[in-house]
Amino acid sequence: EIQLQESGPGLVKPSQSLSLTCSVTGYTITSGYDWSWIRKFPGNKMEWMGYISYSGSTNYNPSLKSRISITRDTSKNQFFLQLNSVTTEDTATYYCARCLGAWFAYWGQGTLVTVSS
Amino acid sequence: DIVLTQSPATLSVTPGESVSLSCRASQGISTSIHWYQQKSNESPRLLIKYASQSISGIPSRFSGSGSGTDFTLSINRVESEDFSVYYCQQSYSLPLTFGSGTKLEIK
Repeated sequence: EIQLQESGPGLVKPSQSLSLTCSVTGYTITSGYDWSWIRKFPGNKMEWMGYISYSGSTNYNPSLKSRISITRDTSKNQFFLQLNSVTTEDTATYYCARCLGAWFAYWGQGTLVTVSS
Repeated sequence: DIVLTQSPATLSVTPGESVSLSCRASQGISTSIHWYQQKSNESPRLLIKYASQSISGIPSRFSGSGSGTDFTLSINRVESEDFSVYYCQQSYSLPLTFGSGTKLEIK
C-alpha cells in the first residue's frame, strides 16, 4: 500500500526558507501520477501549492510561483518542497499527496510548520 | 482562479438526520469537483470524485450530485463518526482550488 510521510523543521524564522521532504513507500514516483504539496492554514483554508509529475515536470500555483520549488530524488523515492522568503502567513500544516487523475487519493499525515522569530 | 464557496460554514445536526452540504463554483466546471472529509488531527480522505462517483471503501450513505456551478454532498443518516470538516476541490483548471469547508457538528 502506498504511504507518504512528510518530514522537516517545525519552526522556521521569517525571511528564511522552508524545506520539507515527502518520502514515498509502496509506489515509485517515476511510475506515474503527479506528486503535490498542499497546505492548510489555521482556520481551515486549504491551498494547493504545486506538483512534480512522474516525468519530472513541475506546475506551481501562480500565487507562489516566485518563491516555490518542488524537486525530487528518484534514488530515494522522495520529493521536496522549498518555499523561500517565508513570513508568518506561511504558518500552516503541510501535506504531500498523490494526485490521481485530478483528485488526491493518498495523503501524508501532515507536518505543522510555524514561522516565527 | 476558480473560487469554491461552501455553505453553510457550520451545520449542527443530530445523529440519524440526513444532511446536504453545498459547494458553488465561481464559473462552470462541468463535474470536476471532488469531496473530502477531514477529522481532527487526520489527513483528508477522498469521499466522492467527479461530483458523483463513489470511492471504494467509503460508506454508501455518502453521495454527491451536481454539475456546472452547483454541487451537493449528501449524507444519509449521519453517524457519530461523520462529525468532521468537509471540503470540495475543483480540478477543472489550474490552480487546483479548495472550498473553505463545512464543519458538521453534533447538535
